Amino acid sequence: DGGITQSPKYLFRKEGQNVTLSCEQNLNHDAMYWYRQDPGQGLRLIYYSQIVNDFQKGDIAEGYSVSREKKESFPLTVTSAQKNPTAFYLCASSIRSGYSSYNEQFFGPGTRLTVL
Amino acid sequence: RKEVEQDPGPFNVPEGATVAFNCTYSNSASQSFFWYRQDCRKEPKLLMSVYSSGNEDGRFTAQLNRASQYISLLIRDSKLSDSATYLCVVNYYGGATNKLIFGTGTLLAVQP
Repeated sequence: DGGITQSPKYLFRKEGQNVTLSCEQNLNHDAMYWYRQDPGQGLRLIYYSQIVNDFQKGDIAEGYSVSREKKESFPLTVTSAQKNPTAFYLCASSIRSGYSSYNEQFFGPGTRLTVL
Repeated sequence: RKEVEQDPGPFNVPEGATVAFNCTYSNSASQSFFWYRQDCRKEPKLLMSVYSSGNEDGRFTAQLNRASQYISLLIRDSKLSDSATYLCVVNYYGGATNKLIFGTGTLLAVQP
C-alpha cells in the first residue's frame, strides 16, 4: 500500500523546544516538500528536496531545518527560532522535479502542531 | 496582488445544482495547473490536472484560458459528498524548481 505517512498527527510543544515532524514515502518519488497551512491562507512552502542529500529553502524557511539522508524520508525540525509555529504542517512528494510540466504533488495526512 | 486568487465563497448550493469556481493567476510563465480538493482538517487531494485548454472527468470539467490567465472548475449534478474546499494550484518552474502556488481555496457546501 503505497503512500506518504506523517507522524505524529497531533503535536504539542512548549515554547523554546525544538520538535521534529516525520515524513516518509514509499512511492519512489524523487522530490519531497514541506508546507505549512494557516487559517485563511494558502499553503506556503517551507523547504523542498529534489534528490538525496540536497534541499533548498522555500518561501518561509526561517526557524525550520530539514535533512534528506534517504530518498524515502524528509523530516522537518521546527526550532525555537520559529516565531509562530502553531500550524498544520503538510509533507508532499512528486515523482520528479524541475523538468516536467505536469508534476503533481501528493500529500501526507499532515501534522497539527500547537505551541503551548 | 496575490499570485493565485480565488473567490473564497462559501458557495451554498442544493444537491443536483451546477456550480462553477473561478481562479486567476498573475504569473504568465505558469505552465501547469491543478485543482485540489481539501476536506476539513485533512490534506489536499488532487482532483484534476488541467491540460492545454481544459479537460473533463465525469461530473468535473476544468478549463484554462492562458490569454486571460484564468482557470475554472465546473461541477455538475452536485452531491453532498462534494462539500469541501477547492484549491486552485498553479505550477511554474524556474531553473530546476517545481514550485506550486496555492490559492486560499473556495468553500463549497452542498445542501440536501
